[in-house]
Amino acid sequence: KAGVTQTPRYLIKTRGQQVTLSCSPISGHRSVSWYQQTPGQGLQFLFEYFSETQRNKGNFPGRFSGRQFSNSRSEMNVSTLELGDSALYLCASRTLPGDNYGYTFGSGTRLTVV
Amino acid sequence: AQKVTQAQTEISVVEKEDVTLDCVYETRDTTYYLFWYKQPPSGELVFLIRRNSFDEQNEISGRYSWNFQKSTSSFNFTITASQVVDSAVYFCALSFSGAGSYQLTFGKGTKLSVIP
Repeated sequence: KAGVTQTPRYLIKTRGQQVTLSCSPISGHRSVSWYQQTPGQGLQFLFEYFSETQRNKGNFPGRFSGRQFSNSRSEMNVSTLELGDSALYLCASRTLPGDNYGYTFGSGTRLTVV
Repeated sequence: AQKVTQAQTEISVVEKEDVTLDCVYETRDTTYYLFWYKQPPSGELVFLIRRNSFDEQNEISGRYSWNFQKSTSSFNFTITASQVVDSAVYFCALSFSGAGSYQLTFGKGTKLSVIP
């Protein structure tokens, strides 16, 4: 079956702009989480969505937001981009939020802010 | 607070050598889960193993083995007879319950280079 699909793979944006990233989970997976990966901070949890509701949020400013659609696809949005937002954004899906059998991760979207 | 420490930032080994990647964790939870993921240059995190806090049995899967010791809060990963394809960044992660879900806290990763 198809894995977690993230689009686009690469993105270059200018400081101050906003960006939307997309994630399609594995079929049947209803929980989608987002992680940011940077060389300095490593992998950090952004938020998790289940049943179109945000279940949990990491320690990120309000410029980072997301949503989930009825088909479990998720988008995350970053407004007023800063240089420090340059990162690899990884999406992960699992069946349910309480499923601890491991996430399946996508290949990520590499965002560069110039 | 939850924390995962991977003290080894980078390791280089010659092909066929054995290598152990260290992972030390901190948590106050009595129920928790530990994971190892592999990240090749493509960027995707590939799941390797999951272990819960009540199961301290070591595990072997082919050339990979894991040693979980609650007494020292460690979950180390050994690759036997390393191969060039093992070159990647390896992450240890801890899962804990936050607001009803189980988010992952990752270590900083260990970059493994296997030299032919």
